[in-house]
This record gives sequence, structure tokens and C-alpha cells, in this order.
Amino acid sequence: KAGVTQTPRYLIKTRGQQVTLSCSPISGHRSVSWYQQTPGQGLQFLFEYFSETQRNKGNFPGRFSGRQFSNSRSEMNVSTLELGDSALYLCASSWGQGFQETQYFGPGTRLLVL
Amino acid sequence: KQEVTQIPAALSVPEGENLVLNCSFTDSAIYNLQWFRQDPGKGLTSLLLIQSSQREQTSGRLNASLDKSSGRSTLYIAASQPGDSATYLCAVPPSNDYKLSFGAGTTVTVRA
Repeated sequence: KAGVTQTPRYLIKTRGQQVTLSCSPISGHRSVSWYQQTPGQGLQFLFEYFSETQRNKGNFPGRFSGRQFSNSRSEMNVSTLELGDSALYLCASSWGQGFQETQYFGPGTRLLVL
Repeated sequence: KQEVTQIPAALSVPEGENLVLNCSFTDSAIYNLQWFRQDPGKGLTSLLLIQSSQREQTSGRLNASLDKSSGRSTLYIAASQPGDSATYLCAVPPSNDYKLSFGAGTTVTVRA
């Protein structure tokens, strides 16, 4: 069974640009969550989608947005990039049926903003 | 707001020694607690998930305990190997939120 995949794996952008990251969950999983990981702040929750609906959102500015498609694949978009957006962006998937489920993480997308 | 703390931040041990990693959380109303491993620059690998009704969970050389009332979990790794060198993170979903609150992690180095 294929794991969670994220594309691209690495990105270099400049300030002011926008970026779109993609996440394909494990087959059958309907919940996709996104996290930002930085050395200073650790892992922080961005948002979670289930069946194309955002169920939860973290404390990030509106420049961070996401969506989920009918096949459960998810994208997150960051507009007007800032230097502080440089981070490892991780997505995780699960069945989405309850809080007792294991979260499975992808390898991440490393974003560098210059 | 759920706060998750992991102590120590870093640990270095000789090969063969047992590892003890600690995780504490402020809100005991948790559904479960999950331990992850992260290798440098990589994603997270789930190691163990303990449901709130369980006291411990075992997988191979790994054993995790959970004490909800005191807000603590401990991950034991028996007979450590150099391949166990990584950062270990614990995470809990706060009450009824579909998200995980993570600790900052414990970076483990096992010396050959």
C-alpha cells in the first residue's frame, strides 16, 4: 500500500511569490492535515480537511489556504511569500472517522523563500 | 490550550543502553497519544499510538506507557542501536479537535 506522497519535495521561491503544495493521502483515507515545521516553532497545525470540507484551522494568516478534492488529494497554497515561510511542510492522512486514529505523515516539502 | 513538553531535548547514549524518553501534557482529556520518529530532513514515522483507555503499548523493542491522570507518557527503547538515532516526538489530539499538538522532540544519538 503506497504511503502519503507530497510534491514537490523541494522548492525555492522569492519573497512575494506564491506557491502550491500537493499531498496525496493513503488510498481510502479521507482526512488530510497540514503542518508547518520550523526549527524555532516546531510542528504547528495549519488545517485539516475531510471529504472536501475544512474541519479545523490553526492560527496562521489568511495567506495560507488549502483545499481538498473529491479523490481526497489536497493542496495548500501560500500567497505573498515571506522569508519566515521557509519551512518543512508536512501532510498527514487518516481515515478521518475519529480522534483515535493513527496519523500517517508524508516525507514533506522543503520550502525555501529567498 | 494543550501544551506538550518533552524532556530532555537531547540525549546521547552508548549502543546497548536502554533509552527513556519523557512526554508531558497539560490537559488530561486526551483521546490518545502518539509517538513519532523523525530522521533529519524527513517526514514523521508513526511508532506507537496509545488509546486513552490503555496504560501501555508495545512494538518490538519499543514500549510506551500512558498515565493520563498525571499527564505523562514515557517511551522506552530497549538495547539501543545506532539506527535508533533520530528525533522522537510525542503528540496528542486536544479534546475534540482534529489536529495534533506536538512536543518539541527529543533528539537521540546512539554512539557505536
